[in-house]
Amino acid sequence: EAQVTQNPRYLITVTGKKLTVTCSQNMNHEYMSWYRQDPGLGLRQIYYSMNVEVTDKGDVPEGYKVSRKEKRNFPLILESPSPNQTSLYFCASRRWGQGEETQYFGPGTRLLVL
Amino acid sequence: SQQGEEDPQALSIQEGENATMNCSYKTSINNLQWYRQNSGRGLVHLILIRSNEREKHSGRLRVTLDTSKKSSSLLITASRAADTASYFCATKNNAGNMLTFGGGTRLMVKP
Repeated sequence: EAQVTQNPRYLITVTGKKLTVTCSQNMNHEYMSWYRQDPGLGLRQIYYSMNVEVTDKGDVPEGYKVSRKEKRNFPLILESPSPNQTSLYFCASRRWGQGEETQYFGPGTRLLVL
Repeated sequence: SQQGEEDPQALSIQEGENATMNCSYKTSINNLQWYRQNSGRGLVHLILIRSNEREKHSGRLRVTLDTSKKSSSLLITASRAADTASYFCATKNNAGNMLTFGGGTRLMVKP
């Protein structure tokens, strides 16, 4: 089954404790992206990657890091989480190229930073 | 920055009625997409309309795009209780590397 998986699905942590949220897709997609969703703000893009070793900042990259060492994985790293990073996070992927528009989303990771 | 703004923010209708949601955006786009999100879950792609298209249909969905007004509408006809969800418009920039979402419309369809 074609899917995007994220782990963990729920996470409670404390300020300053480094964490990683994993994202994996099994569709051989070139493009992967991270979003955060906050009430009233919709989804805002954090980082995206157009292929292995190619990453770029989205609209709200501060406080986050990503890496793309393999095509299927795109982890999101919070080196020193703060309470304002409490949010619902989504990973997404799609093919890269004209006409390859449908973006597939993971189930989400709900993060609470105390 | 938030590109799309949906209107209304919330909509409540009876089953069988039509639901119309609007989206406005600020900059030029390559295409505009609509997504659906069931409570707290991942988004699902519904329909895409390209910047050179004016109207598109898919089942009970009808999307229009007016690039002169930088606006789009999503019409769901003959709504069902199962259509209850949040609906988001998203615009793809001309470089093709970013998809920017609006704040969403929460639709409730009462049986």
